Amino acid sequence: DTGVSQDPRHKITKRGQNVTFRCDPISEHNRLYWYRQTLGQGPEFLTYFQNEAQLEKSRLLSDRFSAERPKGSFSTLEIQRTEQGDSAMYLCASSLEGFTGIYGYTFGSGTRLTVV
Amino acid sequence: AQKITQTQPGMFVQEKEAVTLDCTYDTSDPSYGLFWYKQPSSGEMIFLIYQGSYDQQNATEGRYSLNFQKARKSANLVISASQLGDSAMYFCASEVYGNNRLAFGKGNQVVVIP
Repeated sequence: DTGVSQDPRHKITKRGQNVTFRCDPISEHNRLYWYRQTLGQGPEFLTYFQNEAQLEKSRLLSDRFSAERPKGSFSTLEIQRTEQGDSAMYLCASSLEGFTGIYGYTFGSGTRLTVV
Repeated sequence: AQKITQTQPGMFVQEKEAVTLDCTYDTSDPSYGLFWYKQPSSGEMIFLIYQGSYDQQNATEGRYSLNFQKARKSANLVISASQLGDSAMYFCASEVYGNNRLAFGKGNQVVVIP
């Protein structure tokens, strides 16, 4: 078990470009979550998947954002037509359905996006 | 909606001393969990300790303990015998059971000095 992996660790992009991030959860975890963390703030929930189904999306997830988890394993988060306000750390977490608390969420190291 | 409040300014702590980080939460749901995470400069959110709303005793994990005062909706983290590696941001978070997400506070910056 290598934990939750995110790729890339850092991404610098020009405004208007599209970017895609990848998250590989812990293999036996069937739930996967995306959070966004802006400077000086705590992480904010964006969306979560149970297996391949996207069950909930936050209002923070504008139409320019799309997340997928095609085979219930890894997930991708794409941002189209990036804006400077999209600059943030994007954190992925995974968990096993029905287990919260001490057995709950495992986070990755995040992808830090800078839009210039 | 869940709301987590962490209002302390950045803190400097002498190595080997204890530090208390304040956290208050606001939820009307009776079933919830409270978490503390550590975020070093590398960015990863590292789970430290968990307290369930129905737990009778305060949670402890090694040098970490959670001072849970349910009536005051307070869940303060105590780090004993601070080490240089404890320098990081610390986040308090809550989860209402069944909501499938964490609500985080803004964090507390801790710097441990030798």
